[in-house]
Amino acid sequence: DSGVTQTPKHLITATGQRVTLRCSPRSGDLSVYWYQQSLDQGLQFLIQYYNGEERAKGNILERFSAQQFPDLHSELNLSSLELGDSALYFCASSVGGSGGYNEQFFGPGTRLTVL
Amino acid sequence: AQSVTQLDSQVPVFEEAPVELRCNYSSSVSVYLFWYVQYPNQGLQLLLKYLSGSTLVKGINGFEAEFNKSQTSFHLRKPSVHISDTAEYFCAVTQRQGAQKLVFGQGTRLTINP
Repeated sequence: DSGVTQTPKHLITATGQRVTLRCSPRSGDLSVYWYQQSLDQGLQFLIQYYNGEERAKGNILERFSAQQFPDLHSELNLSSLELGDSALYFCASSVGGSGGYNEQFFGPGTRLTVL
Repeated sequence: AQSVTQLDSQVPVFEEAPVELRCNYSSSVSVYLFWYVQYPNQGLQLLLKYLSGSTLVKGINGFEAEFNKSQTSFHLRKPSVHISDTAEYFCAVTQRQGAQKLVFGQGTRLTINP
């Protein structure tokens, strides 16, 4: 158990819908990272937040957005869902945000299926 | 920008045999290197990491990896595998300065046959 929690574990929805994935980082960690794992794209970095502020952005679609709240939990919002958005979404957390080494601890993931 | 290439998508081996999973990377800046393991229906677990110093690093579950700067490689090895090592293995890098997003390879599926 990494200490990172993600809810829900599974999510099944229809095209065009909007969903919210939630992540609670390890106690004391200020950074949250979101990654997408799909069959065609592999594991890809989406976005990082550090203490409430966006720190880095990867190949995140405009239909996707994220935020980190004052209690440091994070939410990833996916809208106008398409079949290709079906994937496993991982959240990771670390103590720091940049500079030097900050080990990332991964949650169990949320499996999103878009029908 | 960084990129990671895992040279084998699948590696089948017999139990108690040695195994090597190959990883090459490309980066214009200095990086940290990692191997992660993903067991079926689970998240990612860090196996080992190279930050600096000795180029041979030891990780959990008897795995080790060797960093070769001239060949930009970071191959993972285990001298004797067990059925429980069946999993997907990911090589990853992150830049040493700035945002530490992990860049992953495509993964290698290790299958252990009895």
